[in-house]
Amino acid sequence: EVQLVQSGAEVKKPGATVKISCKVSGYTFTDYYMHWVQQAPGKGLEWMGLVDPEDGETIYAEKFQGRVTITADTSTDTAYMELSSLRSEDTAVYYCATAYFDPHAFDIWGQGTMVTVSS
Amino acid sequence: DIQMTQSPSSVSASVGDRVTITCRASQGISSWLAWYQQKPGKAPKLLIYAASSLQSGVPSRFSGSGSGTDFTLTISSLQPEDFATYYCQQANSFPRTFGGGTKVEIK
Repeated sequence: EVQLVQSGAEVKKPGATVKISCKVSGYTFTDYYMHWVQQAPGKGLEWMGLVDPEDGETIYAEKFQGRVTITADTSTDTAYMELSSLRSEDTAVYYCATAYFDPHAFDIWGQGTMVTVSS
Repeated sequence: DIQMTQSPSSVSASVGDRVTITCRASQGISSWLAWYQQKPGKAPKLLIYAASSLQSGVPSRFSGSGSGTDFTLTISSLQPEDFATYYCQQANSFPRTFGGGTKVEIK
């Protein structure tokens, strides 16, 4: 079964850094890009960026450029999303997702990781 | 960036109703559009890809149409499990962008 399993909820103080993991199973990790999507409470979906696990190349949304780092560890089939200089507006659920069947649509999603930024 | 505008933002409907949601792209995206359903506390679920292709396992009451800048998601006969929020997403270029969502509520 193709599955993405994310790390657990986090509580961070403003200015801190959070790193979330997304463990892949059921397919060859390096065959598909891994994307990250943010969803603030009661709000819509916002694409943050992606990593190509094959070569580590990344593309980031301009909104998060400079604060986000997405990486892939092929030894453990795990992708990571690190967000720095956290502020209250970063309180959100973060999802990893991949376009497994069709390269243009996210058909496999992680369960989401809640990040709360509070002093 | 390509802006995706969904309408309406919410709709009240009854079981058995036909529901139509529209999505407009700020520039042409060919047929590179996907539709997702999201229920509270859950990850989004892919319904339609490439504007009109039904994802495996999705009921046939869901259909998508359109190309270029204007797209439609139709639920032909609303079922109790369809009450949720629906999002469109363009896959023509990066950054990927989503519509603001349409909440389908019980009338």
